[in-house]
Amino acid sequence: EDKVVQSPLSLVVHEGDTVTLNCSYEVTNFRSLLWYKQEKKAPTFLFMLTSSGIEKKSGRLSSILDKKELFSILNITATQTGDSAVYLCALYSGGGADGLTFGKGTHLIIQP
Amino acid sequence: EAQVTQNPRYLITVTGKKLTVTCSQNMNHEYMSWYRQDPGLGLRQIYYSMNVEVTDKGDVPEGYKVSRKEKRNFPLILESPSPNQTSLYFCASRNRGRYEKLFFGSGTQLSVL
Repeated sequence: EDKVVQSPLSLVVHEGDTVTLNCSYEVTNFRSLLWYKQEKKAPTFLFMLTSSGIEKKSGRLSSILDKKELFSILNITATQTGDSAVYLCALYSGGGADGLTFGKGTHLIIQP
Repeated sequence: EAQVTQNPRYLITVTGKKLTVTCSQNMNHEYMSWYRQDPGLGLRQIYYSMNVEVTDKGDVPEGYKVSRKEKRNFPLILESPSPNQTSLYFCASRNRGRYEKLFFGSGTQLSVL
């Protein structure tokens, strides 16, 4: 059974800090790893990672995948209060349903 | 505007009273699914549909029904709701093969008393 473990579960930092969110996984048939941001309502897509070592970047957010060690990190630099959200990591294995297995999320709170 | 529309946004009901949460998408997506989100458990898939008249169970289907009579609509039916179905529900859709482009509805917060 595919498994996604995110850490920490919750994190409180001050505006301007840099944060690193972790996602480790177990999977029988890896296709890709995805990151979502969930504010007060629906999750919104951030990144999709399929290859090891290639960083995906969007503004102050970046993410990288290590397929050998089975983990991914999401970095946010110069955090702002608008970055406060739950960040979800999801694994796509391509089987059965849509194959998306979600982690429990990291609840990030940015204090002014 | 491309969107997935769920209704209602909030619903409080009592045990045993049948209810339906509607979901509609305007993007001509083949694939639709329902998730529930609970604190400490994350997002879990209830049912999914690959196309019209094709539905299948996800990870937590017990106590739920779905139907897919039209491509745009995918209602979630709780025939006899129970308190353990109190949760935040999301409908989602995408094109087949574009699993990364999953569009979520705004969510339905359901409380069963």
